[in-house]
Amino acid sequence: AQSVTQLDSQVPVFEEAPVELRCNYSSSVSVYLFWYVQYPNQGLQLLLKYLSGSTLVKGINGFEAEFNKSQTSFHLRKPSVHISDTAEYFCAVSGDAGGTSYGKLTFGQGTILTVHP
Amino acid sequence: GAGVSQSPRYKVAKRGQDVALRCDPISGHVSLFWYQQALGQGPEFLTYFQNEAQLDKSGLPSDRFFAERPEGSVSTLKIQRTQQEDSAVYLCASSLGLAGGEQYFGPGTRLTVT
Repeated sequence: AQSVTQLDSQVPVFEEAPVELRCNYSSSVSVYLFWYVQYPNQGLQLLLKYLSGSTLVKGINGFEAEFNKSQTSFHLRKPSVHISDTAEYFCAVSGDAGGTSYGKLTFGQGTILTVHP
Repeated sequence: GAGVSQSPRYKVAKRGQDVALRCDPISGHVSLFWYQQALGQGPEFLTYFQNEAQLDKSGLPSDRFFAERPEGSVSTLKIQRTQQEDSAVYLCASSLGLAGGEQYFGPGTRLTVT
């Protein structure tokens, strides 16, 4: 079984400030990790994913995340946020291709990022 | 179309009614997933199809929920005798089928049971 915990339900920041959205996971198997963004009344859009290789992953819109296996974390960061980054962000995990997984995602509860002018 | 589409976008049903939610995945995508997203929560897995085969339905909350994908393309999620606790956004996603591959999500159907 897998689970994902997003440690902050809401994160308010000012425009151009840095931000970190925290995510911890638990799993008995090797995993793939994802961050999705959801704008109001829209579907989820993939920001970035970690499958293997470098633990620092860069995604769209200037976001990046670092996979830390020992701490079972996958925190999302952006050095300077814009008003348009206001949205809800979801961390998700799936089993990797080595097991019986076919990509089913387990999501965290979400973090609402609000960027203030 | 270029992305995953879902219809209707909004559905209001009286308790006890049956509803059918449609998903049109991206053409050629082998895998199709349904998720349920309750208000203020993250999406939760309902069921998975690989082409027309339903390989995992472990997330369906009760036998009132039924999903099909008869020709390996369009999928329908049916909920019989709707209850208030069924109120949620139902998301459909498709992918090429490889574990770790990107799942492309539709905009969802918001179901409200009154």
